Amino acid sequence: ETGVTQSPTHLIKTRGQQVTLRCSSQSGHNTVSWYQQALGQGPQFIFQYYREEENGRGNFPPRFSGLQFPNYSSELNVNALELDDSALYLCASSSDRDRGDYGYTFGSGTRLTVV
Amino acid sequence: TQLLEQSPQFLSIQEGENLTVYCNSSSVFSSLQWYRQEPGEGPVLLVTVVTGGEVKKLKRLTFQFGDARKDSSLHITAAQPGDTGLYLCAGDKNNAGNMLTFGGGTRLMVKP
Repeated sequence: ETGVTQSPTHLIKTRGQQVTLRCSSQSGHNTVSWYQQALGQGPQFIFQYYREEENGRGNFPPRFSGLQFPNYSSELNVNALELDDSALYLCASSSDRDRGDYGYTFGSGTRLTVV
Repeated sequence: TQLLEQSPQFLSIQEGENLTVYCNSSSVFSSLQWYRQEPGEGPVLLVTVVTGGEVKKLKRLTFQFGDARKDSSLHITAAQPGDTGLYLCAGDKNNAGNMLTFGGGTRLMVKP
């Protein structure tokens, strides 16, 4: 089975620009969550999508938005980029049937640098 | 303010030594997970603990969930250089699985 794949792996953007990050979930997983991991810190929950609808959101402003597609892949969009948005963005997928026992499968992340 | 506090933040030990990493909170979690993350990679799940007082073993790693489900520990016996990495605990507050709260991590270095 394939794992979670994220693209691109690295990205450099200018302050004020917009960015779209992509995630393909693991086969059989219908839930996708996005996390932001600043350098030297633990991941922070951004939001989760389940069956194409937002299913929980962390403490992030509305300029962070997302989508989930019928094939359960997902996008994270960030508008009006700020320097503090520089971080590793992680996508994690899970199945609603075994989430509690088996946790999440994380992708390798997209390293976003805002200059 | 982190809801989950991990200690120590950094740990550098010699191969063969034992160590314990702690994950503490004032909040109750329905389950708690431990992950290991290597540079340039995403976190990889090691274990999920659900029941208060639960102990799980994974080879040389022993995980314990506190009786009140507010804290957890990870003990590594006879550490090896391959154990080097960032260890993260993550709690699920409502068992809906839709939001994990991560600790700040413990960065472990095991020297040969």
